[in-house]
Amino acid sequence: GQNIDQPTEMTATEGAIVQINCTYQTSGFNGLFWYQQHAGEAPTCLSYHVLDGLEEKGRFSSFLSRSKGYSYLLLKELQMKDSASYLCAVRDSNYQLIWGAGTKLIIKP
Amino acid sequence: ETGVTQTPRHLVMGMTNKKSLKCEQHLGHNAMYWYKQSAKKPLELMFVYNFKEQTENNSVPSRFSPECPNSSHLFLHLHTLQPEDSALYLCASSQASSGGVETQYFGPGTRLLVL
Repeated sequence: GQNIDQPTEMTATEGAIVQINCTYQTSGFNGLFWYQQHAGEAPTCLSYHVLDGLEEKGRFSSFLSRSKGYSYLLLKELQMKDSASYLCAVRDSNYQLIWGAGTKLIIKP
Repeated sequence: ETGVTQTPRHLVMGMTNKKSLKCEQHLGHNAMYWYKQSAKKPLELMFVYNFKEQTENNSVPSRFSPECPNSSHLFLHLHTLQPEDSALYLCASSQASSGGVETQYFGPGTRLLVL
């Protein structure tokens, strides 16, 4: 079967750094997405990876290793508004999106 | 503003009611999706429409009936639902192409409670 694993919940302090990991086992690979979803709002795409490596967008960075079936989302200089759920999704060989259950990130002052 | 709107945002219905969820996308996309999001579970893809034609139906019970009159509008008709159908129903759209990025853009969802 196909599976995406990510922690259910993480807590971090305002101003700190947090890394959210995602491991996947899918039938083929055609890209990995990270989405952010604030409570009661639409998920919005943060990043898309098809090649290995690190991509940085401001305070957010994402990393992919296809050989290890592993990705992480790194959030720096955490702000209270970063409190949200972060969803990892992988597109398989049939271009179907396989979703993780999401990681709820709680930021404390 | 994501360009995908959903109405209503909240819905409470009894098991014998009939209601419809509406989704509209203003992004010029040609693919639309219905997802079910339950607490602490992965997003469940329910239906996919490409160019108004249904291309996916992931073993969804017949009490959920989708309708796509054009590439900008998508409906989910609900009847005789069960309490376990209570969830957040998300609509998404994308520009379908073979091998492309096809980022999906989501609406804010309809929070459904079945009593």
